[in-house]
Amino acid sequence: EVQLVESGGGLVQPGGSLRLSCVASGFTFSSYWMSWVRQAPGKGLEWVANMNQDGSDTYHVDSVKGRFTISRDNAKNSLYLQMNSLRAEDTAVYYCARQLERLRDWGQGTLVTVSS
Amino acid sequence: DVVLTQSPLSLPVTLGQPASISCRSSQSLVYSDGNTYLNWFQQRPGQSPRRLIYKVSNRDSGVPDRFSGSGSGTDFTLIISRVEAEDVGVYYCMQGTHWPPYTFGQGTKLEIK
Repeated sequence: EVQLVESGGGLVQPGGSLRLSCVASGFTFSSYWMSWVRQAPGKGLEWVANMNQDGSDTYHVDSVKGRFTISRDNAKNSLYLQMNSLRAEDTAVYYCARQLERLRDWGQGTLVTVSS
Repeated sequence: DVVLTQSPLSLPVTLGQPASISCRSSQSLVYSDGNTYLNWFQQRPGQSPRRLIYKVSNRDSGVPDRFSGSGSGTDFTLIISRVEAEDVGVYYCMQGTHWPPYTFGQGTKLEIK
């Protein structure tokens, strides 16, 4: 069974930093592109970033470019999202997702709240 | 970026009746490999999104056959043949053809009348 477990969310002040983690199990992590997707409270879904199997190719949505960085450690079956210069509009539940025919499996999400 | 427009945004349905959700794209979603990367997701209250349909009409494993997807080019439809209580939630279409970024529709909230 595919499992994706996110962690690292919490309350952070504007301008602060946070690092999200996603631990994968139930599939060969190193064989798949992986994504981060977020959902602001009461709002829709927004794709944030993705990364290829060996980490050599990454893409980020324009609104987070220069502030967020996706990375992975295949030895640890883990995906990360380093978030710097956080803004109130980054408040959301952040999901990691396995890409199989685009977004196939999702974790339960971790809540990031940016507020003073 | 590709804009996906869903309609309706709110869908009250009687149990056992069909439901239909439209998703229209600002440009054709046919990819260079000939595939059309249009997916449908269900998000039940308090849960993570779950993919129902990929590449327009392919049902994911474990998805009841009352869910079906159709369409081509810029116009796509999700149909639930007979709505059940467990189908309550928000439904999103998503395109993975013209990326980055992947983009989603605004969501359609299905409720029982």
